[in-house]
Amino acid sequence: QKEVEQNSGPLSVPEGAIASLNCTYSDRVSQSFFWYRQYSGKSPELIMSIYSNGDKEDGRFTAQLNKASQYVSLLIRDSQPSDSATYLCAVPLYNFNKFYFGSGTKLNVKP
Amino acid sequence: GAGVSQSPSNKVTEKGKDVELRCDPISGHTALYWYRQSLGQGLEFLIYFQGNSAPDKSGLPSDRFSAERTGGSVSTLTIQRTQQEDSAVYLCASSFAGELFFGEGSRLTVL
Repeated sequence: QKEVEQNSGPLSVPEGAIASLNCTYSDRVSQSFFWYRQYSGKSPELIMSIYSNGDKEDGRFTAQLNKASQYVSLLIRDSQPSDSATYLCAVPLYNFNKFYFGSGTKLNVKP
Repeated sequence: GAGVSQSPSNKVTEKGKDVELRCDPISGHTALYWYRQSLGQGLEFLIYFQGNSAPDKSGLPSDRFSAERTGGSVSTLTIQRTQQEDSAVYLCASSFAGELFFGEGSRLTVL
């Protein structure tokens, strides 16, 4: 079992819809979780972090964490074509000395 | 500089040659990571430096790979006797408060 798993996609949604991206992780003691966005040919950039169970909202983005189920998700409301990218879930070991990344989910938002 | 700087941005080399990739992290960031990303794949952890502590080399794929960090700042990743399977984008990231900031990467092509 990989440390962090994501569906590779592609996930296609129409413009204006809600995109839901999911991630599961294997280490039960993980305490922090990050979502990175990577445009084609570019390096990853941080868009959300979440540390506590429940929801965390930032603009059109909502991160959801369920530690009991070892599950973290990212919702993008009112999806725009500019949101088309690969979304990477990252989970560090407890002392942050190694970030494990999922393989990423490619999102296509169609105008 | 304002961000993580990597050089060269592109490197084409012949099989069997040695290559050096450089990373200049954000000033004040004590943690530095190297990752590798093959085409269409996720991020593969290579090595982690934290301050003056011994680096975590657990992700280096073979003894042809080595890295050093001088003065707690600039890092160099060296690949000896390059092979075609080493072709990838090598990403460097520095970290503050648990968040990774990536450079633009060095794209290595081994012919």
